[in-house]
Amino acid sequence: DVKVTQSSRYLVKRTGEKVFLECVQDMDHENMFWYRQDPGLGLRLIYFSYDVKMKEKGDIPEGYSVSREKKERFSLILESASTNQTSMYLCASGIEQYFGPGTRLTVT
Amino acid sequence: GENVEQHPSTLSVQEGDSAVIKCTYSDSASNYFPWYKQELGKGPQLIIDIRSNVGEKKDQRIAVTLNKTAKHFSLHITETQPEDSAVYFCAASLTFMDSNYQLIWGAGTKLIIKP
Repeated sequence: DVKVTQSSRYLVKRTGEKVFLECVQDMDHENMFWYRQDPGLGLRLIYFSYDVKMKEKGDIPEGYSVSREKKERFSLILESASTNQTSMYLCASGIEQYFGPGTRLTVT
Repeated sequence: GENVEQHPSTLSVQEGDSAVIKCTYSDSASNYFPWYKQELGKGPQLIIDIRSNVGEKKDQRIAVTLNKTAKHFSLHITETQPEDSAVYFCAASLTFMDSNYQLIWGAGTKLIIKP
């Protein structure tokens, strides 16, 4: 079974903090994705990567950056967290987009 | 760019009845149409997909149909069961199997199966 793990299920951070969300997959997939999910808005793509050190902006990259130093790990970084970044963050891996369980981030 | 609209946003059906969720897309070049099911507290999971060169695909109680002329595709669930209760998402892709592959997502349908 494909396994996609995310570093935290729940996270509470303060405005202005730097936040790291990590995603690890065990299937040697080239493609990895970061989404945020908000009620009524579905899934919105933040960034994606199709190879180590390669990254592409999605629909809503503002306020986020990513890092892919190793094939199995794709990190999402909030440089200076803001309250409008409170959301559910989902990582996916592979063409079929196997999803992790998500991280519910609250920024206060 | 591509846009995907999904209807209805909520669907309530009696257990044993059929459920149909519809999506329309805007770019006729889209070539891949997956459907995902998201259960409470979990990430979405791929349940069925269809390529643009196929009109229909079935897998047990679920089926997907694609009408390229009208640019819409639908998910059909027959003999619904309580475990079918979830949020369902449709998606479309212009770049399937390309290095810059990404999906454009519908807003989701909450399916409620009434006992």
